[in-house]
Amino acid sequence: DGGITQSPKYLFRKEGQNVTLSCEQNLNHDAMYWYRQDPGQGLRLIYYSQIVNDFQKGDIAEGYSVSREKKESFPLTVTSAQKNPTAFYLCASSAQEGGSMKTQYFGPGTRLLVL
Amino acid sequence: AQSVTQLDSQVPVFEEAPVELRCNYSSSVSVYLFWYVQYPNQGLQLLLKYLSGSTLVKGINGFEAEFNKSQTSFHLRKPSVHISDTAEYFCAVRPFSGSARQLTFGSGTQLTVLP
Repeated sequence: DGGITQSPKYLFRKEGQNVTLSCEQNLNHDAMYWYRQDPGQGLRLIYYSQIVNDFQKGDIAEGYSVSREKKESFPLTVTSAQKNPTAFYLCASSAQEGGSMKTQYFGPGTRLLVL
Repeated sequence: AQSVTQLDSQVPVFEEAPVELRCNYSSSVSVYLFWYVQYPNQGLQLLLKYLSGSTLVKGINGFEAEFNKSQTSFHLRKPSVHISDTAEYFCAVRPFSGSARQLTFGSGTQLTVLP
């Protein structure tokens, strides 16, 4: 069964702690994305990667970091510099369709809570 | 730059009644259009997409949407809703050209189906 998995489903962070959210896909998609979702709002792009060993900042990258060492994996680290990390985090991926990345497919999400 | 406006933040409707969720967008270039559904504490699931061709697009779960280029709209419709359709619905657009990142979301419409 192909898809996107995110773990853990719930994550608790203490003040000053870095935490890492996992995202894995077995769809053989080239591009991967991280979004943040706050209550009553749409999705905001944190980081994205179009190819292994390359990634770009999205609209709200401050306080976050990523790596893309393997095609199927795109972990997100929420650092202590992110002052308001409580949110629902969604990972997505997309493949080439007719020469460009069009459709994004999403994982089940990780809810991050600050203790 | 693109923007997406979902005109209703909340839509209550009785079971078996028809529903329309409205989406308007603004863009200086041609766009692809998407509708996603999000059930509580889950990721986004693709409902349907318009890439080209017929402006009436059919998706999963009996939903359909019509692309109206002159009115820059992509409204989502279902002729008869079920309790299980209760969820949040997001409209999104992506320009024909540009980088893989450029998926812009609306702020969402919460559809509540009442018995």
